[in-house]
Amino acid sequence: AQKVTQAQTEISVVEKEDVTLDCVYETRDTTYYLFWYKQPPSGELVFLIRRNSFDEQNEISGRYSWNFQKSTSSFNFTITASQVVDSAVYFCALSGPNQGGKLIFGQGTELSVKP
Amino acid sequence: DTAVSQTPKYLVTQMGNDKSIKCEQNLGHDTMYWYKQDSKKFLKIMFSYNNKELIINETVPNRFSPKSPDKAHLNLHINSLELGDSAVYFCASAGVRPRTDTQYFGPGTRLTVL
Repeated sequence: AQKVTQAQTEISVVEKEDVTLDCVYETRDTTYYLFWYKQPPSGELVFLIRRNSFDEQNEISGRYSWNFQKSTSSFNFTITASQVVDSAVYFCALSGPNQGGKLIFGQGTELSVKP
Repeated sequence: DTAVSQTPKYLVTQMGNDKSIKCEQNLGHDTMYWYKQDSKKFLKIMFSYNNKELIINETVPNRFSPKSPDKAHLNLHINSLELGDSAVYFCASAGVRPRTDTQYFGPGTRLTVL
């Protein structure tokens, strides 16, 4: 069965701190896809990044970076120099061709960045 | 232009009523989805349509019926609403490869059943 675990329910940091959101996944598929979505207080779900199982390269986009490690089945998300606007719920998700494309979401991590 | 749109954004109704939520995408995608987010923010797939054909139907009460008049629209009709149906419903769409393409979400519809 496929499963995504985000063990951190809530994280609170002060602006400019670095913060890492953990994501651990389980799947028996050899081909799969990992995603991060952001849900700000306004409620919409915003796509941040996608990683394919055959591409373990880490990714950096501005203050955001992602560390994909198949050996530990993890896909962690780091925000460097956090800002108040980063306050949101962040979801890690998993899908695969054998699952009909449906996204399996983790429980979400609520990040609060205080000024 | 909004890529994936939903109407209404908020829906408040009485138990036992029937209601519909509409979703439209202008991305030219072939696949659309409905997800439900409960009060604890947990997100779960409900349905998926590819080119107007149902391809995912999770364990959802048959009071919920999706309808796809064309590949740009996927509506969700709910009969005999119950208190437990209160949630945020998200529509999403993905490209021509339903099993592999990235899904983009609409703004959500917050349904409150009184």
